[in-house]
Amino acid sequence: GENVEQHPSTLSVQEGDSAVIKCTYSDSASNYFPWYKQELGKGPQLIIDIRSNVGEKKDQRIAVTLNKTAKHFSLHITETQPEDSAVYFCAASTGGSQGNLIFGKGTKLSVKP
Amino acid sequence: DTAVSQTPKYLVTQMGNDKSIKCEQNLGHDTMYWYKQDSKKFLKIMFSYNNKELIINETVPNRFSPKSPDKAHLNLHINSLELGDSAVYFCASSQAGTANNQPQHFGDGTRLSIL
Repeated sequence: GENVEQHPSTLSVQEGDSAVIKCTYSDSASNYFPWYKQELGKGPQLIIDIRSNVGEKKDQRIAVTLNKTAKHFSLHITETQPEDSAVYFCAASTGGSQGNLIFGKGTKLSVKP
Repeated sequence: DTAVSQTPKYLVTQMGNDKSIKCEQNLGHDTMYWYKQDSKKFLKIMFSYNNKELIINETVPNRFSPKSPDKAHLNLHINSLELGDSAVYFCASSQAGTANNQPQHFGDGTRLSIL
């Protein structure tokens, strides 16, 4: 089955710097890659997603890139702000009736003012 | 006007008891899920239901029984609670299941603590 590896597990940056979180997946049939942000005491919130027919997607300060050949995808946050501090999860899915979302183990991002 | 709501938010109970967690979504979605998040924050799917029918049932002890009375509700009943059941349980929903890879929307979780 699918396996998703996420790095780093913790990331500390200064406010205004960029942050990059990387994930690799094992199942070449995976075609959907969402990113979730989880704040303390809250559920995961979708921040951006990308499908396998696209190499890059951007939404304001957040961008995701996908390299299907290498089977890895990354989250880029520019001009980080203290409110970006949270745990970020990547996930992958093959779709179909049995297609689960398989999550990475999360990255705790701390943005220092 | 919460999209996916779970009750209760906290549940503290003794080992061996039976308890239920309720979930409701007002997004009009046809698929609902239960996830378990352990103490290390690892998120893993337990069940998914599409139009009240079980679609995915991961390797979960049969002490866990999901019930979907209608498309907007998916409740989780747990019998004979064990210490290892302590975790945060998240309900989620999406449209058209995972077939078209539609985004999943999560509730804020139920923190279950077994004494």
